[in-house]
Amino acid sequence: DAKTTQPTSMDCAEGRAANLPCNHSTISGNEYVYWYRQIHSQGPQYIIHGLKNNETNEMASLIITEDRKSSTLILPHATLRDTAVYYCIVRVYDAGNNRKLIWGLGTSLAVNP
Amino acid sequence: GAVVSQHPSWVICKSGTSVKIECRSLDFQATTMFWYRQFPKQSLMLMATSNEGSKATYEQGVEKDKFLINHASLTLSTLTVTSAHPEDSSFYICSATRTNTDTQYFGPGTRLTVL
Repeated sequence: DAKTTQPTSMDCAEGRAANLPCNHSTISGNEYVYWYRQIHSQGPQYIIHGLKNNETNEMASLIITEDRKSSTLILPHATLRDTAVYYCIVRVYDAGNNRKLIWGLGTSLAVNP
Repeated sequence: GAVVSQHPSWVICKSGTSVKIECRSLDFQATTMFWYRQFPKQSLMLMATSNEGSKATYEQGVEKDKFLINHASLTLSTLTVTSAHPEDSSFYICSATRTNTDTQYFGPGTRLTVL
């Protein structure tokens, strides 16, 4: 089962910041938080990941709370092309110590003109 | 960037036939590749993890004799759906990680329709 919970859907106005929340209250100390997005009928696209520090790249910023139980993905200036399903994922270790991504249902973000 | 390709992008086959899907890392060497399946309006489900030169590790409930995975080189993994049935119709997606990193880069997916 996924270790994250996200809102089912969100709306954002074009040009504004999109803030996508994620709860991962059972995350362990060595488990990273990954964000991907998937546009309809395409493969997922990597956005960003982090462990405990805030991270920023050319696509987005990731804010992780101090207790690591939640995080927020920020798209600073959303465009229509950012309309997609956004997945917040905790990378876990299975019984064989293999690292895996367990996917939930994500947040369907609609950027409106 | 890290580019992963899949071929074919879509395939339609008759029930009982086998279908092979290729996954290639185009600009990096991938020691580990993953195969996922996604049904409509559902999330990705991991089918198996494949390390170059060794047998794939299948997730619980995934039949290894039905979904044959070969990872013969650092840039190519194949998934063969044997004796396909209509319930195998799905979106199959592969991903790959660079050596010594955990970030998975995904291919564009293959839409399989079994008639």
